[in-house]
Amino acid sequence: SQKIEQNSEALNIQEGKTATLTCNYTNYSPAYLQWYRQDPGRGPVFLLLIRENEKEKRKERLKVTFDTTLKQSLFHITASQPADSATYLCASTLAGKSTFGDGTTLTVKP
Amino acid sequence: GAVVSQHPSWVICKSGTSVKIECRSLDFQATTMFWYRQFPKQSLMLMATSNEGSKATYEQGVEKDKFLINHASLTLSTLTVTSAHPEDSSFYICSAARTGGFHNEQFFGPGTRLTVL
Repeated sequence: SQKIEQNSEALNIQEGKTATLTCNYTNYSPAYLQWYRQDPGRGPVFLLLIRENEKEKRKERLKVTFDTTLKQSLFHITASQPADSATYLCASTLAGKSTFGDGTTLTVKP
Repeated sequence: GAVVSQHPSWVICKSGTSVKIECRSLDFQATTMFWYRQFPKQSLMLMATSNEGSKATYEQGVEKDKFLINHASLTLSTLTVTSAHPEDSSFYICSAARTGGFHNEQFFGPGTRLTVL
């Protein structure tokens, strides 16, 4: 079965820097990879989706890449702000079913 | 648009009782809804896929007689935890896929925190 690994449980960076989060999948190449933000005690909020045939996707300060050779997606937040502090989840989706990673908790310090 | 609500947002119950959690798509129709469970500092684990008008599809290891799912309309799915025990305490989250929309786009509810004493 598909396994999603977010290999950093926690990431601390200084405000203004770029945060880079990693997501690796172990088996089949998913049709889509999705990134979500989750705040404590809340449901996930959709951020970005990237398809298998796309290399990069951008939305404001967010950028996602998809490397099928490395079986990896990178999620970047540029010019990070303390308000970006949250847990970020990567999910692999195939045939409508999503498999989530454990998440990376990002803390942006002022 | 694309708002999903859950009710209640939290519930505390005694062991052995049943608890019903509602998931509603407020401004769109959802043929398919998903139910997840999340333990602290862990990933969301898919429990079941709920399709309007038909039986839910449960993931391996999830007891269908314990976690009853009903998807009676295009805007409402319910999860009933029957004879709840302390080990059922968790954060339950639903998501809804918009009917006719991009089938992999899910909108998540805010979650329900269940504590079984």
